[in-house]
Amino acid sequence: EIVLTQSPGTLSLSPGERATLSCRASQSVDTSSLGWYQKKPGQAPRLLICGTSIRPTGIPDRFSGSGSGTNFTLTIDKLEPEDFAVYYCHHYGSSPRPFGQGTRLELK
Amino acid sequence: QLVQSGAEVKKPGASVKVSCRASGYPFIIHNIDWVRQAPGQGLEWMGWLNPNSGFTAYAPKFRGRVTMTRDTSITTAYMELSGLTSNDTAIYYCARGAIYTSNSGARGSGMDVWGQGTTVIVSS
Repeated sequence: EIVLTQSPGTLSLSPGERATLSCRASQSVDTSSLGWYQKKPGQAPRLLICGTSIRPTGIPDRFSGSGSGTNFTLTIDKLEPEDFAVYYCHHYGSSPRPFGQGTRLELK
Repeated sequence: QLVQSGAEVKKPGASVKVSCRASGYPFIIHNIDWVRQAPGQGLEWMGWLNPNSGFTAYAPKFRGRVTMTRDTSITTAYMELSGLTSNDTAIYYCARGAIYTSNSGARGSGMDVWGQGTTVIVSS
């Protein structure tokens, strides 16, 4: 069973800065199955990235994903005020499909 | 879109059944996943359902307690959780699975449409 570990737990940044969030898998995963979600209080999760680096329609291009094997990264360029939220990586492959524990991106 | 049933309050030991009605796309084409978030906790994947075949797969933690079903005639998926405890107090989400293809031909999958969430409170 794959375990996803995210770091850091909390990231404190200011608008305009770049955020780099990491997700490490306990074993190699198919790049097609690694995704990232944004979660804000009172809202459903939002798919930001699937297939490691694919942005669904409507996701701003300041969000980008990269990685392979066991190490994956979500980068958010030029943070906007609305980007401060919790971010989760997720393995959408064969079952089970775990989430990482989340990285909280907070306003510095 | 996916529209879920309303909030529920249950006693410990009871069961809860949450519905998720799909509209605006062919129901049988996309899998439905269920995810929950307990207060102050992260997202937790529970399982998925193939609406076409009825095939299901559950997270080990929930096997024996969760049942996912569907009614294709009304494009609705269901998640029933039994043996409720206070630890099951959470917001439960259904989500549609989708496959995306990049300009370079790479494929990726994820949950792209989500229900609004159903709050389930377990309390004596």
